[in-house]
Amino acid sequence: GESVGLHLPTLSVQEGDNSIINCAYSNSASDYFIWYKQESGKGPQFIIDIRSNMDKRQGQRVTVLLNKTVKHLSLQIAATQPGDSAVYFCAHQAGTALIFGKGTTLSVSS
Amino acid sequence: GAGVSQTPSNKVTEKGKYVELRCDPISGHTALYWYRQSLGQGPEFLIYFQGTGAADDSGLPNDRFFAVRPEGSVSTLKIQRTERGDSAVYLCASSPDLGTEAFFGQGTRLTVV
Repeated sequence: GESVGLHLPTLSVQEGDNSIINCAYSNSASDYFIWYKQESGKGPQFIIDIRSNMDKRQGQRVTVLLNKTVKHLSLQIAATQPGDSAVYFCAHQAGTALIFGKGTTLSVSS
Repeated sequence: GAGVSQTPSNKVTEKGKYVELRCDPISGHTALYWYRQSLGQGPEFLIYFQGTGAADDSGLPNDRFFAVRPEGSVSTLKIQRTERGDSAVYLCASSPDLGTEAFFGQGTRLTVV
């Protein structure tokens, strides 16, 4: 079946570094993608989204890149801060359902 | 309210009992989702409402699970004859429409003992 997966379960970076979190998806018909941040004990928090007619979108300190050819999505976080430590999920719209992967745990050390 | 609200935040119930979990979406959002999240996993889709109707209930694991949204706003997820395997965090999300930003509540942590 279709799935959304992340390449690495954990990522450790130093404060101030740039972070890149990757995601691969299998459904070539997907046309809407979202990145979420989830802190312990909280619900997923919307970060940024992108539609399939775009290959890049920027927000505040975050950039999402979409490569439809290889079905790959990435989230770039500039100048990573300790407050960015969390689990990051990518999700894609498959019909009516948002399908999530297992997540990447980002740890930021000072 | 400002965001999606879920009540209760925690629920402990005995095996075999019936539980109801409530979701108050963001005002004006027509799309509402229920998800279940087990420890260390991503949210697992359960059901999607567009307005009052369940447009997609393909994620409900079995007929013990049921959800309603009678007036197109508040939704209730109902679980009959709870089992220990139902223990998880149940998340609700709403969005203005299908294929738009979906915002999640804090979840209800259900523990079946």
